[in-house]
Amino acid sequence: DSGVTQTPKHLITATGQRVTLRCSPRSGDLSVYWYQQSLDQGLQFLIHYYNGEERAKGNILERFSAQQFPDLHSELNLSSLELGDSALYFCASSIPLAGRETQYFGPGTRLLVL
Amino acid sequence: GQNIDQPTEMTATEGAIVQINCTYQTSGFNGLFWYQQHAGEAPTFLSYNVLDGLEEKGRFSSFLSRSKGYSYLLLKELQMKDSASYLCAVRDGGRGSTLGRLYFGRGTQLTVWP
Repeated sequence: DSGVTQTPKHLITATGQRVTLRCSPRSGDLSVYWYQQSLDQGLQFLIHYYNGEERAKGNILERFSAQQFPDLHSELNLSSLELGDSALYFCASSIPLAGRETQYFGPGTRLLVL
Repeated sequence: GQNIDQPTEMTATEGAIVQINCTYQTSGFNGLFWYQQHAGEAPTFLSYNVLDGLEEKGRFSSFLSRSKGYSYLLLKELQMKDSASYLCAVRDGGRGSTLGRLYFGRGTQLTVWP
């Protein structure tokens, strides 16, 4: 158990819908990273938040957005869902440790868009 | 950009030793990570290298050569439970280098036979 929690564990929805995925980082971790993992793409970085501020964006679609709240939990919002958005969504958290920052992953949310 | 290559699949027998290679070409480098991922589960942290050389941790060791853009993960005394995907990831130097994003390889699926 990494100490990172994600809800829900599974989500089944229809095309065109909107969903929200939630992540609570490990106690004390200020950074939250979101990743998407599909069979044909591997683990793809989406976005990084540090202490409430967006720090870096990766391959995140405009239909997707995220935020990190004052209590450091984060939400990833996916809208106008398409079949191709079906994937595992992971969040990871970390705290800088003199350059040895290590990301610890939550259990993931498996999204199925029908 | 980032380019990370590792073999797609490897097989080995229980009790054996296996070496999983990873080569990378990156525009910035601030450390290389190895993660283990069982199917449908979260990646779990195995090792971290930022300086050249070998890091040993029980049955697992990881080696880095920055000049060659090369790393390997060595697994000794293989057990059936080691069957998993092994992900090589490079951390970007980036802005505020302790907060760099990770770029993942596609993973090496290791199957351990009895």
